[in-house]
Amino acid sequence: AQRVTQPEKLLSVFKGAPVELKCNYSYSGSPELFWYVQYSRQRLQLLLRHISRESIKGFTADLNKGETSFHLKKPFAQEEDSAMYYCALSGGSNYKLTFGKGTLLTVNP
Amino acid sequence: DSGVTQTPKHLITATGQRVTLRCSPRSGDLSVYWYQQSLDQGLQFLIQYYNGEERAKGNILERFSAQQFPDLHSELNLSSLELGDSALYFCASSVGTGGQPQHFGDGTRLSIL
Repeated sequence: AQRVTQPEKLLSVFKGAPVELKCNYSYSGSPELFWYVQYSRQRLQLLLRHISRESIKGFTADLNKGETSFHLKKPFAQEEDSAMYYCALSGGSNYKLTFGKGTLLTVNP
Repeated sequence: DSGVTQTPKHLITATGQRVTLRCSPRSGDLSVYWYQQSLDQGLQFLIQYYNGEERAKGNILERFSAQQFPDLHSELNLSSLELGDSALYFCASSVGTGGQPQHFGDGTRLSIL
């Protein structure tokens, strides 16, 4: 079975502070991990996928198979980063996405 | 706009009724996915279609059904509606079926009174 856990429902930081949104997963095979973001009044959009190993809007995420984690990090948070962040896993033959419950990030001025 | 489009944006109806939600995928995408987002359950995968055929099923109730038409648009039919069906229903699309990123629509907010 596929499962994604985001332990923090809410995360609040100040502008310029580092931010880490935690994501742990459970999957027996080789998963594909994604981070999706939903800004206020906007649609869900892809932020990162682990196989791309890229940095988008200053965010990075590294897949740690030993710890089964895919935490999202940014060294200096900006107010415009305030949004709902979802970690998602895709695996198996059907490639459906299994989402975590999401973390609402608030970056205070 | 060649992104995923969903209609209607909002739907208000009563218990026992039946509704149809519509989704047009991004141009060139063959896969369509339906998700239900509720406060208590989060985002739950319902069903996937690829090029007109059902590909995968998730936590979809028997009262719900979907199909994908030859022009690749998809419809999600919800019947015998219950209060607990109130949720945001998202459609997403991707090029194929193999783990490509999914692109989401704005969702349809269904309210059951």
